[in-house]
This record gives sequence, C-alpha cells and structure tokens, in this order.
Amino acid sequence: AQSVTQLDSQVPVFEEAPVELRCNYSSSVSVYLFWYVQYPNQGLQLLLKYLSGSTLVKGINGFEAEFNKSQTSFHLRKPSVHISDTAEYFCAVRTSGGGADGLTFGKGTHLIIQP
Amino acid sequence: GAVVSQHPSWVICKSGTSVKIECRSLDFQATTMFWYRQFPKQSLMLMATSNEGSKATYEQGVEKDKFLINHASLTLSTLTVTSAHPEDSSFYICSVIGGLYEQYFGPGTRLTVT
Repeated sequence: AQSVTQLDSQVPVFEEAPVELRCNYSSSVSVYLFWYVQYPNQGLQLLLKYLSGSTLVKGINGFEAEFNKSQTSFHLRKPSVHISDTAEYFCAVRTSGGGADGLTFGKGTHLIIQP
Repeated sequence: GAVVSQHPSWVICKSGTSVKIECRSLDFQATTMFWYRQFPKQSLMLMATSNEGSKATYEQGVEKDKFLINHASLTLSTLTVTSAHPEDSSFYICSVIGGLYEQYFGPGTRLTVT
C-alpha cells in the first residue's frame, strides 16, 4: 500500500512570486508520481507526471517537479505564479508496472494567489 | 487526452432513494474506469475499478451492494447509490485510463441526500 502526504493544506503567495508545493510519499514498491490541478467546480487536470528517467519533470502552465527517491518527495514548483493559478493541487501515486491501478491522492493544497 | 463527461453534474435526492450517475468516455474506448469519492475540503478516495464486461473491483471498506457499478460498454460506466443516506452526500468523480498511465477525469457529480 502507498500513501501521499501534502503537509500544506493552504499556501498563500503573492502574484509573480515563486511557489513550492510539497509532496512526500510512502510505498514499499516503485511508484509513478503525478500532480493534478482542480479549478473550482471542475474536474482534475494533469499537470505533470514522473514515470522514469530524468528526475526533473516539466509540465503545463510553467510548473515543474523534481523526484527525489532518497527523500521520497515530489515537490511542485513554479518560478512566478499568476492569479489564474489559484486552485487545488493534488499529488498522487500509483504502483509502477502494468495493471490498471487507481491513484492514491494526497489531501490537496489550496494555492491562493494574492495580488 | 481523453474527454470524460459525467451526468448529472449535481443531483439532490431524498434519503432512502437511489440515484444513478453516468460516466462517459467521449472519444476513447475505455476498458477500465475508476470511481472516486471526494468529501468537501478533502482528497479523492478510490472507491472501485470498473471493468468493461465484468464485475467491478471495490476498495476495502466500500460496500458493493450500496454502490452498484455497471460498465456495460467501452464508453459508459454507471454508479448507482442505492438507498442513499445523508452521509453519502459527496462529490463523485470518474476517470479513464489513457496512454502512459495517465488518468483523465470527469468533471464530477455532486450528490446531496436530504
């Protein structure tokens, strides 16, 4: 079984400032890692994913994340945020390899961009 | 990516009644769909894996007789909440597996049981 911890339930940031949303995971097997964004009253949209290879992953909307196996972390970063980035961000994992496994989500981090 | 729709987007029902939620994959044939549940201000919890043409696989703690899943075609899975109670009020979200282990999510259905 795996678990995901997003320590920050809410992160307020000023517009154009950098932001980091933290995600740590626990698993006894290899995992794939994902970040999703949920805008108000909308479904989840994939920001980026780590499957293998380079530990620095670039996604949509200027976001990137770095996989750190030793620290079991997959923190999400953006160098300069915009008002439109205000949303709920979810980190998720699933076991690697084949099979149709569902995702295990963290509790989410509400990113609040202040003008 | 795949486009996933859900219907209805919001439903209110009386306690004791049943309600059906549809999940459609509009441009992708999905042999597997997932159903998640999201309580307010909380994360998504996987409820079950819906497999086309076979029985759904439920996560531990999810009552299969209460949450009936039917995946009758490659584009449609339904979740029926039977004998709904106020504690079943939640946001129900389905997803479809796409390429490279991605999941594409529907917009969700908000269920309110009065």
